[in-house]
Amino acid sequence: EAQIWESGGGLVQAGGSLKLSCTASGFTFSSYTMSWVRQAQGKGLEWVSGISGSGMTTYYADSVKGRFVISRDNSKNTVSLQMNNLGVDDTAIYFCAKDRAMEYFDPWGQGTLVTVS
Amino acid sequence: DIVLTQSPVSLSLSPGERATLSCRASQIIFSDYLAWYQHRPGQAPRLLIYGASTRAAGIPERFSGRGSGTDFTLTISRLEPDDFAVYFCQQYGSSDRTFGQGTKVEIK
Repeated sequence: EAQIWESGGGLVQAGGSLKLSCTASGFTFSSYTMSWVRQAQGKGLEWVSGISGSGMTTYYADSVKGRFVISRDNSKNTVSLQMNNLGVDDTAIYFCAKDRAMEYFDPWGQGTLVTVS
Repeated sequence: DIVLTQSPVSLSLSPGERATLSCRASQIIFSDYLAWYQHRPGQAPRLLIYGASTRAAGIPERFSGRGSGTDFTLTISRLEPDDFAVYFCQQYGSSDRTFGQGTKVEIK
């Protein structure tokens, strides 16, 4: 069974940085694009960033382009999201998900909360 | 970006009742590339439906999706206790994938 879990969330001051990690198991990790999706309190979900299975291609939402960097380590089945110059609008639960060829997401992790004050 | 509007915002029903959730797009979704997810508080969102009407692996038959173009529906034929959750739709017909705001199905 495919499983995903995130870590690294926390409280950070505006302008600061934080690095999220996502670990996966139960599927051939290097074969799949992985994405981060976030949900701010009381708001809908927003796709944030994705990375191809090889790690050669990365994708970013306009809202985070130039501030966030996604990377992966296929030897450890992990994906990371380095978030820089954080603003209060980045406060959200961040979910990691296996991305079916930039289409839909399955499965997802339970999410990690990032709070920017 | 394609805006997805879900209605109603919340739905109060009893176990055993039928739930009908709507997802309307601001423009035609290419190839009916629409997915539905279930999200229980504190848990991982779960894919229910993709391609507007195809159930994901392991999803019970009481969940069904239909629709095309701009109007899509998720139906839960007979609500079970575990079905009370938030449901949201997501389109992947355009390069900028977007989500609806969600419909909360509550116990009456």
